[in-house]
Amino acid sequence: DSGVTQTPKHLITATGQRVTLRCSPRSGDLSVYWYQQSLDQGLQFLIQYYNGEERAKGNILERFSAQQFPDLHSELNLSSLELGDSALYFCASSATGGFTEAFFGQGTRLTVV
Amino acid sequence: ILNVEQSPQSLHVQEGDSTNFTCSFPSSNFYALHWYRWETAKSPEALFVMTLNGDEKKKGRISATLNTKEGYSYLYIKGSQPEDSATYLCALVLAGGTSYGKLTFGQGTILTVHP
Repeated sequence: DSGVTQTPKHLITATGQRVTLRCSPRSGDLSVYWYQQSLDQGLQFLIQYYNGEERAKGNILERFSAQQFPDLHSELNLSSLELGDSALYFCASSATGGFTEAFFGQGTRLTVV
Repeated sequence: ILNVEQSPQSLHVQEGDSTNFTCSFPSSNFYALHWYRWETAKSPEALFVMTLNGDEKKKGRISATLNTKEGYSYLYIKGSQPEDSATYLCALVLAGGTSYGKLTFGQGTILTVHP
């Protein structure tokens, strides 16, 4: 158990809908990362937060947004969903950002039908 | 676009063989290099974080080296076992700018160890 909790584990929704994925980082970790893994693709960086502030942004679609709350949990909001958004979404946390190892959650499997 | 390249893409070895694979990255603005092991149906787990040129890290039969001047890191597995079968990922962190702290992963090397 990495100590990072992601909910839900699985999500099936229709095109055009909006979903929210939730991540609770390890106790004490200030940094949260979100990654997308599509079929046969590697881990694609979406966004990173550090202590409530956005630190780095990847090729995150405008339909996607995220935030980190004062209690350090993070949410990834995906809207106007398309079939191509079906993927495994990972959250990871680390104590200080890139200088320390990241701990990954179990992922949320999103299926858009 | 930040390119973190891993080679080979996949590798099949026999139990007991020693093996190694490579992670190549741009050498400018280097901050840290991570290695992760990703087993099927699980999540990536950290092996090493290296920050200094010439760093060598070891965990059991697995070790890693880092050359930041030429932009590469090697991961070695001595005496491979079937339980070492996994995808091995490296991830680069650059210093400064809008990429500070961002973990950019390579595509991984898929290792299969045959009994």
